[in-house]
Amino acid sequence: DAGITQSPRHKVTETGTPVTLRCHQTENHRYMYWYRQDPGHGLRLIHYSYGVKDTDKGEVSDGYSVSRSKTEDFLLTLESATSSQTSVYFCAILGGGNTEAFFGQGTRLTVV
Amino acid sequence: KQEVTQIPAALSVPEGENLVLNCSFTDSAIYNLQWFRQDPGKGLTSLLLIQSSQREQTSGRLNASLDKSSGRSTLYIAASQPGDSATYLCAAPNTGNQFYFGTGTSLTVIP
Repeated sequence: DAGITQSPRHKVTETGTPVTLRCHQTENHRYMYWYRQDPGHGLRLIHYSYGVKDTDKGEVSDGYSVSRSKTEDFLLTLESATSSQTSVYFCAILGGGNTEAFFGQGTRLTVV
Repeated sequence: KQEVTQIPAALSVPEGENLVLNCSFTDSAIYNLQWFRQDPGKGLTSLLLIQSSQREQTSGRLNASLDKSSGRSTLYIAASQPGDSATYLCAAPNTGNQFYFGTGTSLTVIP
Protein backbone atom coordinates (compact mmCIF):
# COMPACT_ATOMS: atom_id res chain seq x y z
CA ASP A 1 0.00 0.00 0.00
CA ALA A 2 1.08 3.53 -0.78
CA GLY A 3 2.26 5.52 2.21
CA ILE A 4 -0.42 8.15 2.63
CA THR A 5 -2.10 9.06 5.90
CA GLN A 6 -4.72 11.62 6.80
CA SER A 7 -5.25 13.18 10.20
CA PRO A 8 -7.49 13.45 12.01
CA ARG A 9 -9.77 10.66 10.79
CA HIS A 10 -12.82 12.17 12.47
CA LYS A 11 -13.51 15.67 13.70
CA VAL A 12 -16.50 17.58 15.03
CA THR A 13 -16.15 21.34 15.16
CA GLU A 14 -18.33 24.37 15.67
CA THR A 15 -19.40 26.85 13.03
CA GLY A 16 -16.95 29.71 12.68
CA THR A 17 -13.90 27.89 14.02
CA PRO A 18 -10.77 27.27 11.94
CA VAL A 19 -9.95 23.67 11.06
CA THR A 20 -6.82 22.16 9.52
CA LEU A 21 -6.65 18.72 7.97
CA ARG A 22 -3.31 17.10 7.28
CA CYS A 23 -2.20 14.75 4.51
CA HIS A 24 1.18 13.08 4.89
CA GLN A 25 2.92 10.92 2.28
CA THR A 26 6.09 8.85 2.35
CA GLU A 27 6.23 8.23 -1.43
CA ASN A 28 7.99 11.48 -2.43
CA HIS A 29 5.25 12.04 -5.02
CA ARG A 30 5.08 15.42 -6.71
CA TYR A 31 1.32 15.89 -6.91
CA MET A 32 -1.09 16.02 -3.99
CA TYR A 33 -4.84 16.64 -4.03
CA TRP A 34 -7.68 17.42 -1.67
CA TYR A 35 -11.21 16.26 -2.50
CA ARG A 36 -14.51 16.33 -0.73
CA GLN A 37 -17.13 13.63 -1.20
CA ASP A 38 -20.81 14.29 -0.71
CA PRO A 39 -23.89 12.21 -1.58
CA GLY A 40 -25.10 13.03 -5.06
CA HIS A 41 -21.95 14.98 -5.95
CA GLY A 42 -19.25 12.36 -5.96
CA LEU A 43 -15.65 13.45 -5.49
CA ARG A 44 -14.97 17.13 -6.13
CA LEU A 45 -11.52 18.64 -6.35
CA ILE A 46 -10.85 21.40 -3.82
CA HIS A 47 -7.17 22.26 -4.32
CA TYR A 48 -4.12 20.50 -5.60
CA SER A 49 -0.36 20.92 -5.45
CA TYR A 50 2.24 20.26 -8.12
CA GLY A 51 5.25 20.88 -5.91
CA VAL A 52 6.47 22.56 -2.74
CA LYS A 53 4.75 25.95 -2.45
CA ASP A 54 3.00 25.35 -5.80
CA THR A 55 -0.76 25.03 -5.48
CA ASP A 56 -3.84 25.73 -7.55
CA LYS A 57 -7.59 25.81 -7.14
CA GLY A 58 -9.98 23.06 -8.05
CA GLU A 59 -13.70 23.26 -8.73
CA VAL A 60 -14.91 23.92 -5.16
CA SER A 61 -12.14 26.01 -3.57
CA ASP A 62 -14.21 28.77 -1.96
CA GLY A 63 -13.78 28.74 1.83
CA TYR A 64 -10.67 26.57 1.69
CA SER A 65 -6.95 27.29 1.61
CA VAL A 66 -3.97 24.97 1.33
CA SER A 67 -0.27 24.98 2.03
CA ARG A 68 2.61 22.73 1.08
CA SER A 69 5.89 23.67 2.75
CA LYS A 70 7.39 20.17 2.43
CA THR A 71 7.03 17.49 -0.22
CA GLU A 72 5.45 15.09 2.24
CA ASP A 73 2.77 17.32 3.78
CA PHE A 74 -0.28 19.00 2.25
CA LEU A 75 -2.53 20.92 4.62
CA LEU A 76 -6.15 21.89 4.00
CA THR A 77 -7.52 24.74 6.11
CA LEU A 78 -11.10 25.83 6.58
CA GLU A 79 -10.63 29.40 7.79
CA SER A 80 -14.11 29.66 9.32
CA ALA A 81 -16.00 26.38 9.15
CA THR A 82 -19.61 26.36 7.95
CA SER A 83 -22.22 23.60 8.04
CA SER A 84 -21.98 23.27 4.25
CA GLN A 85 -18.41 22.06 4.74
CA THR A 86 -19.60 18.99 6.60
CA SER A 87 -18.25 16.24 4.37
CA VAL A 88 -15.74 13.45 3.96
CA TYR A 89 -12.38 14.78 2.81
CA PHE A 90 -9.90 12.68 0.85
CA CYS A 91 -6.29 13.32 0.04
CA ALA A 92 -4.63 11.77 -3.01
CA ILE A 93 -1.08 11.55 -4.30
CA LEU A 94 0.34 11.07 -7.78
CA GLY A 95 3.88 10.64 -9.01
CA GLY A 96 3.08 12.37 -12.29
CA GLY A 97 2.13 11.62 -15.87
CA ASN A 98 1.41 7.94 -16.30
CA THR A 99 1.48 6.78 -12.71
CA GLU A 100 -1.28 5.57 -10.42
CA ALA A 101 -3.02 7.85 -7.99
CA PHE A 102 -3.40 6.68 -4.40
CA PHE A 103 -5.93 7.86 -1.86
CA GLY A 104 -5.92 8.26 1.88
CA GLN A 105 -8.61 6.74 4.09
CA GLY A 106 -10.50 9.99 4.46
CA THR A 107 -11.40 12.46 7.19
CA ARG A 108 -15.01 12.76 8.27
CA LEU A 109 -15.64 16.36 9.28
CA THR A 110 -18.85 17.49 10.94
CA VAL A 111 -19.52 21.19 11.45
CA VAL A 112 -22.27 21.86 14.02
CA LYS B 1 -12.71 21.12 -17.00
CA GLN B 2 -12.99 17.40 -17.59
CA GLU B 3 -16.57 16.11 -17.37
CA VAL B 4 -16.85 12.46 -16.42
CA THR B 5 -20.06 10.46 -16.64
CA GLN B 6 -20.65 6.93 -15.42
CA ILE B 7 -23.54 4.75 -16.46
CA PRO B 8 -25.41 3.09 -14.87
CA ALA B 9 -25.53 4.85 -11.50
CA ALA B 10 -26.52 1.60 -9.83
CA LEU B 11 -26.48 -2.02 -10.89
CA SER B 12 -27.68 -5.19 -9.21
CA VAL B 13 -26.74 -8.59 -10.63
CA PRO B 14 -26.86 -12.22 -9.51
CA GLU B 15 -23.61 -13.88 -8.53
CA GLY B 16 -21.68 -15.36 -11.45
CA GLU B 17 -22.90 -12.89 -14.05
CA ASN B 18 -20.51 -10.96 -16.27
CA LEU B 19 -21.06 -7.20 -16.29
CA VAL B 20 -19.87 -3.99 -17.89
CA LEU B 21 -19.52 -0.56 -16.31
CA ASN B 22 -19.25 2.50 -18.52
CA CYS B 23 -17.26 5.71 -18.20
CA SER B 24 -17.26 8.64 -20.63
CA PHE B 25 -15.16 11.80 -20.56
CA THR B 26 -15.17 15.04 -22.53
CA ASP B 27 -11.48 15.96 -22.73
CA SER B 28 -9.57 13.37 -24.75
CA ALA B 29 -6.17 14.96 -23.95
CA ILE B 30 -5.51 12.53 -21.13
CA TYR B 31 -2.40 10.78 -19.85
CA ASN B 32 -4.32 7.70 -18.80
CA LEU B 33 -7.56 6.50 -17.31
CA GLN B 34 -7.82 4.92 -13.90
CA TRP B 35 -10.53 2.77 -12.37
CA PHE B 36 -11.08 2.74 -8.61
CA ARG B 37 -13.15 0.81 -6.17
CA GLN B 38 -14.67 2.32 -3.01
CA ASP B 39 -16.19 0.27 -0.21
CA PRO B 40 -18.65 2.01 2.15
CA GLY B 41 -16.87 4.30 4.60
CA LYS B 42 -13.49 3.65 3.02
CA GLY B 43 -11.05 5.37 0.72
CA LEU B 44 -10.53 4.62 -2.95
CA THR B 45 -8.49 1.61 -4.05
CA SER B 46 -6.83 1.67 -7.45
CA LEU B 47 -7.94 -1.24 -9.67
CA LEU B 48 -6.52 -0.60 -13.12
CA LEU B 49 -4.54 2.08 -14.91
CA ILE B 50 -4.72 2.26 -18.72
CA GLN B 51 -2.09 4.39 -20.42
CA SER B 52 -3.36 6.71 -23.15
CA SER B 53 -1.46 4.64 -25.74
CA GLN B 54 -3.08 1.38 -24.61
CA ARG B 55 -6.48 0.01 -25.48
CA GLU B 56 -6.86 -2.60 -22.75
CA GLN B 57 -5.56 -3.57 -19.34
CA THR B 58 -6.35 -6.72 -17.41
CA SER B 59 -6.05 -7.74 -13.78
CA GLY B 60 -7.56 -11.06 -12.77
CA ARG B 61 -11.31 -10.98 -13.48
CA LEU B 62 -11.17 -7.30 -14.41
CA ASN B 63 -10.61 -5.95 -17.90
CA ALA B 64 -10.65 -2.27 -18.74
CA SER B 65 -10.70 -0.79 -22.22
CA LEU B 66 -10.01 2.72 -23.43
CA ASP B 67 -11.11 4.50 -26.60
CA LYS B 68 -9.67 8.01 -26.41
CA SER B 69 -11.15 9.17 -29.69
CA SER B 70 -14.70 8.53 -28.51
CA GLY B 71 -13.99 9.51 -24.91
CA ARG B 72 -15.05 6.16 -23.47
CA SER B 73 -13.80 3.47 -21.16
CA THR B 74 -15.43 0.26 -19.96
CA LEU B 75 -14.71 -1.95 -16.99
CA TYR B 76 -15.64 -5.60 -17.54
CA ILE B 77 -16.02 -7.82 -14.49
CA ALA B 78 -16.16 -11.54 -15.18
CA ALA B 79 -17.96 -14.07 -13.01
CA SER B 80 -19.08 -11.52 -10.43
CA GLN B 81 -18.91 -12.36 -6.72
CA PRO B 82 -20.62 -10.83 -3.67
CA GLY B 83 -17.22 -9.42 -2.64
CA ASP B 84 -17.27 -7.28 -5.80
CA SER B 85 -20.12 -5.23 -4.31
CA ALA B 86 -18.82 -1.66 -4.05
CA THR B 87 -18.87 1.66 -5.85
CA TYR B 88 -16.67 1.85 -8.93
CA LEU B 89 -15.27 5.17 -10.10
CA CYS B 90 -13.22 6.23 -13.08
CA ALA B 91 -10.96 9.26 -13.44
CA ALA B 92 -8.96 10.64 -16.34
CA PRO B 93 -6.30 13.19 -15.46
CA ASN B 94 -5.78 15.89 -18.05
CA THR B 95 -2.40 17.25 -19.13
CA GLY B 96 -2.41 19.42 -16.00
CA ASN B 97 -2.68 16.27 -13.87
CA GLN B 98 -6.06 17.36 -12.54
CA PHE B 99 -8.23 14.38 -11.63
CA TYR B 100 -11.96 14.70 -12.11
CA PHE B 101 -14.38 11.95 -11.15
CA GLY B 102 -17.86 10.91 -12.08
CA THR B 103 -20.36 9.96 -9.37
CA GLY B 104 -19.60 6.29 -9.84
CA THR B 105 -21.56 3.07 -10.32
CA SER B 106 -22.85 1.34 -7.21
CA LEU B 107 -22.66 -2.42 -7.79
CA THR B 108 -24.51 -5.04 -5.77
CA VAL B 109 -23.84 -8.71 -6.47
CA ILE B 110 -26.59 -10.90 -5.05
CA PRO B 111 -25.54 -14.32 -3.71
